[in-house]
Amino acid sequence: KDQVFQPSTVASSEGAVVEIFCNHSVSNAYNFFWYLHFPGCAPRLLVKGSKPSQQGRYNMTYERFSSSLLILQVREADAAVYYCAVCQAGTALIFGKGTTLSVSS
Amino acid sequence: GAGVSQTPSNKVTEKGKYVELRCDPISGHTALYWYRQSLGQGPEFLIYFQGTGAADDSGLPNDRFFAVRPEGSVSTLKIQRTERGDSAVYLCASSWTSGENNEQFFGPGTRLTVL
Repeated sequence: KDQVFQPSTVASSEGAVVEIFCNHSVSNAYNFFWYLHFPGCAPRLLVKGSKPSQQGRYNMTYERFSSSLLILQVREADAAVYYCAVCQAGTALIFGKGTTLSVSS
Repeated sequence: GAGVSQTPSNKVTEKGKYVELRCDPISGHTALYWYRQSLGQGPEFLIYFQGTGAADDSGLPNDRFFAVRPEGSVSTLKIQRTERGDSAVYLCASSWTSGENNEQFFGPGTRLTVL
């Protein structure tokens, strides 16, 4: 079955680098998409691609079936749910169940 | 508008009733997607439109669910004979066109509660 896997929770301290790992079993998906979601708001794309990428404090590593989102200098305000997704057949996104990031001061 | 909007933001209905959920995509976006997010899960694909036609409706769970996009802009997701298991957040997204390189912009969702 086509699935995306990511940890349910990650804990960090302010100022640290946080890594959220993701892997998938979707045979015809090549790009990873990392979304930030504050419940009740629209999910927002942070970084995407089929190669290592960086957008501000967000880095994305890339392997064919796995990717990590790295958040640099994490802040309390970064506490949210992070979704990893891959694109199947160029259209629908297949999402993981989300990783809840907690940040302590 | 500046982003994807969805109305209503919350909808409470009774089992067996009919509901309509509306999505206004970003102006000019030809592709529109509906996803459903149950508690503790990631969004799950329901249906995708390219223009006015449903290009892929393989994610619709059963024939109680239907979606339209008659003029290639606003879309309505329709659920007949609602069941308690339909309770979820329904997310809409749009993109300039389809394809992996086109970013999908999401709306804030409609939270549907079926009592």
